[in-house]
Amino acid sequence: DAGITQSPRYKITETGRQVTLMCHQTWSHSYMFWYRQDLGHGLRLIYYSAAADITDKGEVPDGYVVSRSKTENFPLTLESATRSQTSVYFCASSEGLAVDTQYFGPGTRLTVL
Amino acid sequence: AQSVTQLGSHVSVSEGALVLLRCNYSSSVPPYLFWYVQYPNQGLQLLLKYTSAATLVKGINGFEAEFKKSETSFHLTKPSAHMSDAAEYFCAVRISRRNQFYFGTGTSLTVIP
Repeated sequence: DAGITQSPRYKITETGRQVTLMCHQTWSHSYMFWYRQDLGHGLRLIYYSAAADITDKGEVPDGYVVSRSKTENFPLTLESATRSQTSVYFCASSEGLAVDTQYFGPGTRLTVL
Repeated sequence: AQSVTQLGSHVSVSEGALVLLRCNYSSSVPPYLFWYVQYPNQGLQLLLKYTSAATLVKGINGFEAEFKKSETSFHLTKPSAHMSDAAEYFCAVRISRRNQFYFGTGTSLTVIP
């Protein structure tokens, strides 16, 4: 089905473990984004990508790593998870950047114990 | 520095009453402004966006927003609330010439029957 999907939808892990959140889109959009949503903060941009092999930091990139070897995939890795990374993570994609609509995935709820 | 501020984290209105959700931005250059809606356990979806054309922007589901440069505001309105409007609403801004999006902290709208 066309759209943007995220996996897993729910994840519980322990402090210090590596976790990878997956994002896949079928529109061939150039831009992809990772956000985290926390109470009192709204959504904050972690990383974004303008194309395959082109990524850049957002507002809160520390503790996260991204890669984009294929246009359709944009995984987000927490190399050593911390409790402060407990959050809901949203992936989004858009055709362009300036005024283009961002299409959001359903989110991944991550709990770090 | 906060780029977008949403006044009121919770707003309650009666069914059929006017909906007014407030958003103010800070930018020294022309911004692009967006309103997104989030239903429970879902990702965000675009309601409307301001792209420097008409200052009054009409969106989906009867919502509209007016860009007021003098007040640095982009408030969201709907003449008559419906039960299905109950959701979380986010204002977002993209600062021209910067590849960053900033979201407000969100306003939870409750519609009372």
